[in-house]
Amino acid sequence: GESVGLHLPTLSVQEGDNSIINCAYSNSASDYFIWYKQESGKGPQFIIDIRSNMDKRQGQRVTVLLNKTVKHLSLQIAATQPGDSAVYFCAENIRGGNQFYFGTGTSLTVIP
Amino acid sequence: KAGVTQTPRYLIKTRGQQVTLSCSPISGHRSVSWYQQTPGQGLQFLFEYFSETQRNKGNFPGRFSGRQFSNSRSEMNVSTLELGDSALYLCASSLGVSEQFFGPGTRLTVL
Repeated sequence: GESVGLHLPTLSVQEGDNSIINCAYSNSASDYFIWYKQESGKGPQFIIDIRSNMDKRQGQRVTVLLNKTVKHLSLQIAATQPGDSAVYFCAENIRGGNQFYFGTGTSLTVIP
Repeated sequence: KAGVTQTPRYLIKTRGQQVTLSCSPISGHRSVSWYQQTPGQGLQFLFEYFSETQRNKGNFPGRFSGRQFSNSRSEMNVSTLELGDSALYLCASSLGVSEQFFGPGTRLTVL
């Protein structure tokens, strides 16, 4: 199957610091990527997306960077807050349909 | 606008039984996707329905099936349950190949 992996399974940051969550994908034909946040007991929640014709996209306190040369995706969270504590997944879309491959997830813990 | 709803939220079954899970997408969304989430395998794509037709299918055995109705509501069925089918089953809806909105999931436990 397709492989979407994360470099670190866990990440702890101090409140107010910036967080960076990384994701490696394996298929160079992937053309659409989404970052999701999942809190305990809930379904994944959309954070931000990016298409392969872009290198960077910014949202509110979040930025996604896409490096197609090395097939790498990152999520930057500015001024991390306790409410940001969750598991973060990257998802990759390859075939143009709504079939996404998810990474294993990174658990972010924000230390007050 | 109401979000994606899934019923039931929790389910306990025994091996060999079958189960049907239901998903109601966001109004106007015609695409419904199903995922299985387990600690060991993470989130894995099961299948996607669009306008009552299965458009994509993941690598799951034929025991896993689904369908979509004309109002876009979807059901997934698992027959002959195995212990390894214990998981959180998530449904997501979208307008097309775009942002997917997930429901809270159905927690299935197979004893």
